[in-house]
Formats: sequence, C-alpha cells, structure tokens
Amino acid sequence: QAVVTQEPSLTVSPGGTVTLTCGSSTGAVTSGHYPYWFQQKPGQAPRTLIYDTSNKHSWTPARFSGSLLGGKAALTLSGAQPEDEAEYYCLLSYSGAVVFGGGTKLTVL
Amino acid sequence: EVQLVESGGGLVQPGRSLRLSCTASGFTFGDYAMSWFRQAPGKGLEWVGFIRSKAYGGTTEYAASVKGRFTISRDDSKSIAYLQMNSLKTEDTAVYYCTRYGDFYDYWGQGTLVTVSS
Repeated sequence: QAVVTQEPSLTVSPGGTVTLTCGSSTGAVTSGHYPYWFQQKPGQAPRTLIYDTSNKHSWTPARFSGSLLGGKAALTLSGAQPEDEAEYYCLLSYSGAVVFGGGTKLTVL
Repeated sequence: EVQLVESGGGLVQPGRSLRLSCTASGFTFGDYAMSWFRQAPGKGLEWVGFIRSKAYGGTTEYAASVKGRFTISRDDSKSIAYLQMNSLKTEDTAVYYCTRYGDFYDYWGQGTLVTVSS
C-alpha cells in the first residue's frame, strides 16, 4: 500500500502564510490522486476543506487554497487566524482505495 | 440541513461482532455513495470502506485491514448505511465516522466509539 507523507508539525504566526504538503511513496502526486485536505480540531469530527486538488466547499474560508507543488499536493493558508490551529490531514486516491497522510499539527503562535 | 448520525458503538470483546448504523437526513440518501472512516485514540484517520449508490451498482470497496471482516450495506428506504464488523480485533478500537460522497466527500457524522477489549 502507498504511504502518504505530511509534515508532523508546523507553526505559523497570526496573519502569516504557511504551506502544508502531501507526498506519495509511489511518485509525484497528480490531479489523478484527487487530493483532499481535512481539518480536525480536538474533540471534533474532521471537516472537508479542499477536494480534487483545489476545490473548496461552501464552508471553506477563502484564506485556504489547494494546489500541486513540486510533485506534492499543497494546502496554503494565507492570513492565519487563531481558529486555524488544528490537525490537517491529506487524502489521496489510488485505484479504488484511499490513503491518508499522518496529519500535520498546525500551531498558530 | 444535511445530518449524519452514527450509532451502535460500544465495548465488545475480541472476536465478537458489532453493527454500526449511519442514519442520514436532509438529502436524498439513495443518490449518494457513503463511506466509513475510523480514527484510533490519539492517532490519524483511516479509510475503512465505501458503498456506491444503487445507480452505480451499490458495490463496495474496503481497506486491506478490514477486507473479509467488515461489510458495508445500505437501506435506502430507511436512509441508513451500515458497517457490519466481524472478528473484531483490539486494533479495531477507534471512533468510526460515516461520510457522504456525491462528487466528493463532504459531510461527516460526529462518530461513534468502538472499543474492542476483553
């Protein structure tokens, strides 16, 4: 099974910009992996932020954006807010199965 | 308003079975695929499996870790998706979430905790 990798932790200053990445052990991440990004706060269910690389749900704040960057999927947060402190998970699809990354704990400090 | 409510979790001994339900409301259940995910205590998310809508054959896909032990089914007349879990192992201990899939995973339930322990 493929392994999906994320930074274990990142810190961003309030108002700052940070990019989280999502890599695949099988090679470059492409749009064909239909990358997702989910946000999860302590004690809560995950929430879908980004799907199919860069598409946002109606509830996704405009400061979040998704892209492909250097062979990885990327989630960029521009203008970080205290409420963005959370765990972020990416998900990639592989021929009928889906695999999560280990998550990135984002601290806004 | 779209709502997904999981139920059926609890404490179960290794080797036993448990059935989880995901009761949906606020949308036409039969038009959507449904998926189950899980999260072990203090760990990351894991995809469990998926059932397509009847329009796409109602077929299922499973993660390798549960294939042959878990079965996903659906009752469109009741707007419920089920996760039948057999031969449970201690490593199946987790919060189990159901999600809706139209063109993408969007709504999540709040989850139900399954604890497998003797």
